Amino acid sequence: AQSVTQLDSQVPVFEEAPVELRCNYSSSVSVYLFWYVQYPNQGLQLLLKYLSGSTLVKGINGFEAEFNKSQTSFHLRKPSVHISDTAEYFCAVSVFNTDKLIFGTGTRLQVFP
Amino acid sequence: NAGVTQTPKFRVLKTGQSMTLLCAQDMNHEYMYWYRQDPGMGLRLIHYSVGEGTTAKGEVPDGYNVSRLKKQNFLLGLESAAPSQTSVYFCASSYRGDGFYFGPGTRLLVL
Repeated sequence: AQSVTQLDSQVPVFEEAPVELRCNYSSSVSVYLFWYVQYPNQGLQLLLKYLSGSTLVKGINGFEAEFNKSQTSFHLRKPSVHISDTAEYFCAVSVFNTDKLIFGTGTRLQVFP
Repeated sequence: NAGVTQTPKFRVLKTGQSMTLLCAQDMNHEYMYWYRQDPGMGLRLIHYSVGEGTTAKGEVPDGYNVSRLKKQNFLLGLESAAPSQTSVYFCASSYRGDGFYFGPGTRLLVL
């Protein structure tokens, strides 16, 4: 079975500082990896996804993530955060050629002025 | 192109009442899903469907039933609501598991 671990439940950071949100997954087969963002009282928006190819994936709003197969990680990064990045971020995994998306428990990013 | 829509947006039920949540997608996706979101627990899969007329259990199926009579619709039913089912419910659809599109959510409060 597949699982996703988001190591930090909350990450506080000051505006314009860099941030990394950590995600590790467990799977014995190839996977697709996703990061979603959820702003307060809203639905989920796809930030970026890794399906194949280059291990560095660029997404919307200046976010990027790097797939590391040997460490089974897919950490999300942004070099300079804004107040508007305050939200909950979810890492998720889907096994290639199957049909389920499994989520981590989420990381709440809080950006302070 | 509306994407994934959910009806209703909000609902308050009393314990023991029943209700049906409707999810509709206009992207001709084969796969559809129902998740629930609870604080500190992320999104957990309730039931899913890989095609019209098929359904399967996810991580937390107890207390829920689903039906997929038409490809574009996926219904989630609560036969006898319990306070533990207070949650935000999200529907999603996917073409082949490589891109998931989510609805705006339904907030359910069971008293």
